[in-house]
Amino acid sequence: QKEVEQDPGPLSVPEGAIVSLNCTYSNSAFQYFMWYRQYSRKGPELLMYTYSSGNKEDGRFTAQVDKSSKYISLFIRDSQPSDSATYLCAMSAVNKVIFGPGTSLSVIP
Amino acid sequence: IAGITQAPTSQILAAGRRMTLRCTQDMRHNAMYWYRQDLGLGLRLIHYSNTAGTTGKGEVPDGYSVSRANTDDFPLTLASAVPSQTSVYFCASSATGEYTEAFFGQGTRLTVV
Repeated sequence: QKEVEQDPGPLSVPEGAIVSLNCTYSNSAFQYFMWYRQYSRKGPELLMYTYSSGNKEDGRFTAQVDKSSKYISLFIRDSQPSDSATYLCAMSAVNKVIFGPGTSLSVIP
Repeated sequence: IAGITQAPTSQILAAGRRMTLRCTQDMRHNAMYWYRQDLGLGLRLIHYSNTAGTTGKGEVPDGYSVSRANTDDFPLTLASAVPSQTSVYFCASSATGEYTEAFFGQGTRLTVV
């Protein structure tokens, strides 16, 4: 079993839709949970990070962590064509970080 | 503009040749990382450095070496390239070893033929 699982998609939604992206993990030592956005032929950029369980909101983006279920989510409200990218979850413990394979998202105008 | 600079942006390399990918950051971050990104496998850590003068092995270190002579530079060397090292390579840095926020370069697309 991989340490981090993420549905690679591709996911295609109409503009304005609510998008839900998810990852599951197996290592209970992970403490930091992150979402990166990667546009085509670019490096990943940090979108949000949370420490331990709970919710974090930033504009149209909400990150959720449920450590009891080993499950994290990223919600995008009122999705825009500019949100079209690959979204990678990442998790870290001391001196260790693991990325999911990424979910490709297309928001259709 | 502050950030991470990688060079070259792309390269075609004959198998068996030696190649060094360059990475320079100007944010004075202590920690630096090298990842490779392959379709379906995501980002995999090759080597890391928590501070100048120290390095460590990541998930897929075989065939690669790194050095960290100073804070700003973290070159990655392929001693004798093989086709399985065809990938996109990303350098990243973060302020601490706890990996809260990492900043990535634009990547180097390497094709080994």
